[in-house]
Amino acid sequence: DAKTTQPNSMESNEEEPVHLPCNHSTISGTDYIHWYRQLPSQGPEYVIHGLTSNVNNRMASLAIAEDRKSSTLILHRATLRDAAVYYCILCRSGNTGKLIFGQGTTLQVKP
Amino acid sequence: DTAVSQTPKYLVTQMGNDKSIKCEQNLGHDTMYWYKQDSKKFLKIMFSYNNKELIINETVPNRFSPKSPDKAHLNLHINSLELGDSAVYFCASSQWANGLAEAFFGQGTRLTVV
Repeated sequence: DAKTTQPNSMESNEEEPVHLPCNHSTISGTDYIHWYRQLPSQGPEYVIHGLTSNVNNRMASLAIAEDRKSSTLILHRATLRDAAVYYCILCRSGNTGKLIFGQGTTLQVKP
Repeated sequence: DTAVSQTPKYLVTQMGNDKSIKCEQNLGHDTMYWYKQDSKKFLKIMFSYNNKELIINETVPNRFSPKSPDKAHLNLHINSLELGDSAVYFCASSQWANGLAEAFFGQGTRLTVV
């Protein structure tokens, strides 16, 4: 399974945009890029996923590099409720659906 | 209406006991999972069932036995509990779509073995 690399932690100010990077230099052509987050004392929560094109949903945007070796999760206006651990995970088409979690990025949001 | 619900939320028990954690999903999904989050916060998959068939067993000790009576339930039974089993256990479900569908997680069961 291809690995991802994320910074251990990041800080943001409330109501400012946040860009959370992820490197996945060994990504294969059938790997989708998924993002999950885990709020304190809760289970992980799906955020967004994409393959090649940038994606937007109500929670966030996902920007994928042209060579697909990196991606960035964008929270357009961070709120205190966005403080969580964010996980970037590669999911291969045709696999068993298991998610391989790394250490993720712990995002702190300051008021 | 909770999508993936686990019971109990907290479980404190003595070493050597046998315990079960129940999981139910009302999303109509056909695939369910158990994940373990240890004290260092690493999340690791343990088992997965698709339509009541075991499809993932990630070298978990035999003391752990999942049971899926139907597509909506995946229970986890643990025999002869050890101190190292203390962790938060998460149940999840997804709808099989080449393994790409988003997974929905329960709130977790914090197991403490004393």
